[in-house]
Amino acid sequence: ETGVTQTPRHLVMGMTNKKSLKCEQHLGHNAMYWYKQSAKKPLELMFVYSLEERVENNSVPSRFSPECPNSSHLFLHLHTLQPEDSALYLCASSQEGEDYGYTFGSGTRLTVV
Amino acid sequence: DQQVKQNSPSLSVQEGRISILNCDYTNSMFDYFLWYKKYPAEGPTFLISISSIKDKNEDGRFTVFLNKSAKHLSLHIVPSQPGDSAVYFCAATWDTGGFKTIFGAGTRLFVKA
Repeated sequence: ETGVTQTPRHLVMGMTNKKSLKCEQHLGHNAMYWYKQSAKKPLELMFVYSLEERVENNSVPSRFSPECPNSSHLFLHLHTLQPEDSALYLCASSQEGEDYGYTFGSGTRLTVV
Repeated sequence: DQQVKQNSPSLSVQEGRISILNCDYTNSMFDYFLWYKKYPAEGPTFLISISSIKDKNEDGRFTVFLNKSAKHLSLHIVPSQPGDSAVYFCAATWDTGGFKTIFGAGTRLFVKA
């Protein structure tokens, strides 16, 4: 298992549900990221948190709401999603100012029905 | 179990010469491969990809080669430029009815002027 843990590994939710994805890093990093990966497409950066402050939000719909309570934890709160939101959601962490050691979690496979 | 391996943590190349970054994988189910480039304090950005039905894909100075029998892929950058200095991640994915992406640990490329 990597130093970045994501739960749950799989999630099926209805369009009216509210759920949350969790990411935890055990590496002492101070920057965390949410990415979306749809089938056979490159990663799409969604949110960046550096030192627990959101520094980037790439025009992500408001039905996705991130939360970073501390440098080790990152959440992605989901509500009223659409079927096209079904994808693999990857969390990553890094140490601000360092390029090597960027570490990905295994991802959460989300299916919206 | 590292299914995607980038065995060279770093590589140093003179400007104008060829950079070759290598990636090995163990899972024969992978059917799509991607390379990402990461600058310091930024998230990875997509660079180039290749499907398992091909053995070569070219985009400008970047070419990815896939050798399925050896479970090996490589990224060639010709000619290398100082702006290419970054960390390069290899990723492999396959569709399991949901799909999964595995990232390598990255190789840091230094292009010297």
